[in-house]
Amino acid sequence: DSGVTQTPKHLITATGQRVTLRCSPRSGDLSVYWYQQSLDQGLQFLIQYYNGEERAKGNILERFSAQQFPDLHSELNLSSLELGDSALYFCASSPQGTGIDEQYFGPGTRLTVT
Amino acid sequence: AQSVAQPEDQVNVAEGNPLTVKCTYSVSGNPYLFWYVQYPNRGLQFLLKYITGDNLVKGSYGFEAEFNKSQTSFHLKKPSALVSDSALYFCAVRDGNYGQNFVFGPGTRLSVLP
Repeated sequence: DSGVTQTPKHLITATGQRVTLRCSPRSGDLSVYWYQQSLDQGLQFLIQYYNGEERAKGNILERFSAQQFPDLHSELNLSSLELGDSALYFCASSPQGTGIDEQYFGPGTRLTVT
Repeated sequence: AQSVAQPEDQVNVAEGNPLTVKCTYSVSGNPYLFWYVQYPNRGLQFLLKYITGDNLVKGSYGFEAEFNKSQTSFHLKKPSALVSDSALYFCAVRDGNYGQNFVFGPGTRLSVLP
């Protein structure tokens, strides 16, 4: 168990809908990362937050947004969902969010868009 | 922009034999290199990292990796494979000089045969 929690574990929704994925980092970790894992695109870095501020942005669509709250938990919001958004979404955390930190991954949220 | 290649989709090795999972990278600045492992229906787990210093890095579960700057490689190795090592292995790179994004390779599926 990495200490990173993600809810929900599974989510099934329809195209056009909006969902929110939640992540709680390991105790003491200040940085949170979001990733999308799909069969055709592999593991894609979406966005990183450090202590409430956005630190790095990857291949995140404009329909997606994220934030990190004062208690350091993070939420990833996905809107106007398309079939292609079906994937496993991982959250990870690290102590300082620098380039040398290893990341601790949560178990993931499996999103199915029908 | 940084990139990572894992030239083998699948590696098969007999239990007790040495294993190698290959990774090559491309960055503009100094590379920060990581190996992660993913077991079925689980998040990724950190194995080891190279930031600076000794080119041979030792990590969890008896794994090690060798950083080769001239060949831009960071191959993962283990002297004696176990059936329980069967999993999906990801190499990741972060450019230490430019930006903050992590890039993960496509993954290599390791099967250790009894």
